[in-house]
Amino acid sequence: KQEVTQIPAALSVPEGENLVLNCSFTDSAIYNLQWFRQDPGKGLTSLLLIQSSQREQTSGRLNASLDKSSGRSTLYIAASQPGDSATYLCAAGGDRDDKIIFGKGTRLHILP
Amino acid sequence: SAVISQKPSRDICQRGTSLTIQCQVDSQVTMMFWYRQQPGQSLTLIATANQGSEATYESGFVIDKFPISRPNLTFSTLTVSNMSPEDSSIYLCSGLSPRKLGQGKSGAGELFFGEGSRLTVL
Repeated sequence: KQEVTQIPAALSVPEGENLVLNCSFTDSAIYNLQWFRQDPGKGLTSLLLIQSSQREQTSGRLNASLDKSSGRSTLYIAASQPGDSATYLCAAGGDRDDKIIFGKGTRLHILP
Repeated sequence: SAVISQKPSRDICQRGTSLTIQCQVDSQVTMMFWYRQQPGQSLTLIATANQGSEATYESGFVIDKFPISRPNLTFSTLTVSNMSPEDSSIYLCSGLSPRKLGQGKSGAGELFFGEGSRLTVL
């Protein structure tokens, strides 16, 4: 059974710093991995989708990488801004059962 | 990318009543899902909404409590029946965009979410 873990659960960094959020999964048989942002009380906004055949995806200040063999994905945020404060979730799409499993998220706070 | 509209965005309900949440997608999606997110928790899948047939429920969720309809490819409803305070959550509708042709599962679609419906049961 796939398990997705995100560490740390919460993170505070000063504005302007670069930071990395981590996502690990126990079953490497995934067809994609997706990163989302969630603001308090709101729905999820898709940030980046990495297919299993890809190593990374970039969008603006965001870069997501995928290493299936080690069961890890990272989300890199460059030059962080207070508007980046939110909860970031990753989700792995399972190749064996087509189930999409979510991590519990990392709550990010950018200090002005 | 798909845009998913969900309503109501929030509601306060009395114990024992039922509430229906509507979800409309602006483009075709292959699959639609309903999730629940309890305070401070991650997402829990309630069911997969199947077009024209009964939804597929996850363990712990039953049709009598969470009846779901999907009459066409772009619309679905979730009803939370006979509500209790334990049902207070954010309910999220999501849609999976079609896979890219010729790439099999490696071209699997992207998951999109509505804004969520925040439900408080008194």
